[in-house]
Amino acid sequence: DAGVIQSPRHEVTEMGQEVTLRCKPISGHDYLFWYRQTMMRGLELLIYFNNNVPIDDSGMPEDRFSAKMPNASFSTLKIQPSEPRDSAVYFCASSRKFSGNTIYFGEGSWLTVV
Amino acid sequence: GESVGLHLPTLSVQEGDNSIINCAYSNSASDYFIWYKQESGKGPQFIIDIRSNMDKRQGQRVTVLLNKTVKHLSLQIAATQPGDSAVYFCAESFGNEKLTFGTGTRLTIIP
Repeated sequence: DAGVIQSPRHEVTEMGQEVTLRCKPISGHDYLFWYRQTMMRGLELLIYFNNNVPIDDSGMPEDRFSAKMPNASFSTLKIQPSEPRDSAVYFCASSRKFSGNTIYFGEGSWLTVV
Repeated sequence: GESVGLHLPTLSVQEGDNSIINCAYSNSASDYFIWYKQESGKGPQFIIDIRSNMDKRQGQRVTVLLNKTVKHLSLQIAATQPGDSAVYFCAESFGNEKLTFGTGTRLTIIP
């Protein structure tokens, strides 16, 4: 079975540029999560969707961040404009249920903003 | 200048020995727990889970122990191998609440 697929795996961009990260969840999973991982803060939940609908975006740092899920097999996380402090690894994950069920992670998108 | 970041507990174990990684969770009402393994440059990978109605669960070379009295979770890895070197995270959830991840423990297997 294909796992969660993320792209790009690595991105280096200049401050002020728009960054779009993409995710394809595991087929049949109703929940999709976007996490950010940094040395300073560890693994943080940014936003999650249930059946393509955003449920909780309280973890999104600020208005520069936005996420969409136009269909069950695709989601994007966009940063506009990007800043150096956004440099981190962004993970997409999916699961069948919200809690009490295993969340499966993608390999991550390693973002560096210079 | 000095960098400030999360201070990950570290554990070094000789190859072939058993290792025990500990996790103190925060919510006494948590009813589901997961251990994840994260290798360098990769995403967290599911290892094993346990529900609060159990106190022990075994997988292949791994055992998770749950002590609800002291809110403690442990992951035992038997006969460690170089490929076990990674950061290990515990995560907890309660009811419909989201998973909460710990800061992780770095395990290094010494050949």
